[in-house]
Amino acid sequence: SQKIEQNSEALNIQEGKTATLTCNYTNYSPAYLQWYRQDPGRGPVFLLLIRENEKEKRKERLKVTFDTTLKQSLFHITASQPADSATYLCALDLNYGGATNKLIFGTGTLLAVQP
Amino acid sequence: EPEVTQTPSHQVTQMGQEVILRCVPISNHLYFYWYRQILGQKVEFLVSFYNNEISEKSEIFDDQFSVERPDGSNFTLKIRSTKLEDSAMYFCASSERSKGTPFFGPGTRLTVL
Repeated sequence: SQKIEQNSEALNIQEGKTATLTCNYTNYSPAYLQWYRQDPGRGPVFLLLIRENEKEKRKERLKVTFDTTLKQSLFHITASQPADSATYLCALDLNYGGATNKLIFGTGTLLAVQP
Repeated sequence: EPEVTQTPSHQVTQMGQEVILRCVPISNHLYFYWYRQILGQKVEFLVSFYNNEISEKSEIFDDQFSVERPDGSNFTLKIRSTKLEDSAMYFCASSERSKGTPFFGPGTRLTVL
C-alpha cells in the first residue's frame, strides 16, 4: 500500500535561510501531491499542489519540486521567517478515479525558524 | 474569506456515550470530509460525502460512525458508542468541486474518559 515518509521530525534553521523539507512515497506515482501547513491545535492549511507532469511549482517564497523517478517531492521556503515555524505535511490522494479526495498524510516535519 | 467552522471546539465524554460533532462547510462547496488526528500521529482520512451519500470511507470508519447532512448547511459526524481510542482531533473539510483542494476546519478535540 502507498506510504509517505517525511524527513526528520524537526528542522531548525536560522531566519533568512532556505528550509528544505522532503517527502518520499513508496509505490505508484500519484497524479498530484499536496503540501499543507499545520499550526498546533489547528487544521491543515493548503499551500501548494504539484501535478505529476510538473517539475516545479512556485508561490511567493515557496517552491515545490516533484521527481517521479526518485518518488520524491521537495518543499522549499526561501528567506525563512520565524512566522514560518509550523509543521509541514505532505499529502497524496489515494482515490484514483473517484469523485472525492482520500488524502493520506505524512507525519509532518516540524520547522523551527530561529530569529 | 469563507471558512469551515466546527463545534464544539472541545468535547469531553464518557466511554460508551454517543457524541455528535458538527461542521458548517463553506457554503458553495459540495464535497465534504472528516479526518482525524490522534495526538502526535498523522492526519487520517475517515470518510467523504457527496450528493447525500458516502463516497469513500476508510477502515477506521466502522459501524460506530455515521455522517449526515441534516440540512443545507450542517454536516455531522456521529460516534455511537465512544471508546478510549476515539480520543483525537476531528477535522471537517469541504471542497468546491470533485478532487478540489479540501479546506479544513479548526477541529474538535474529542476526549473520551
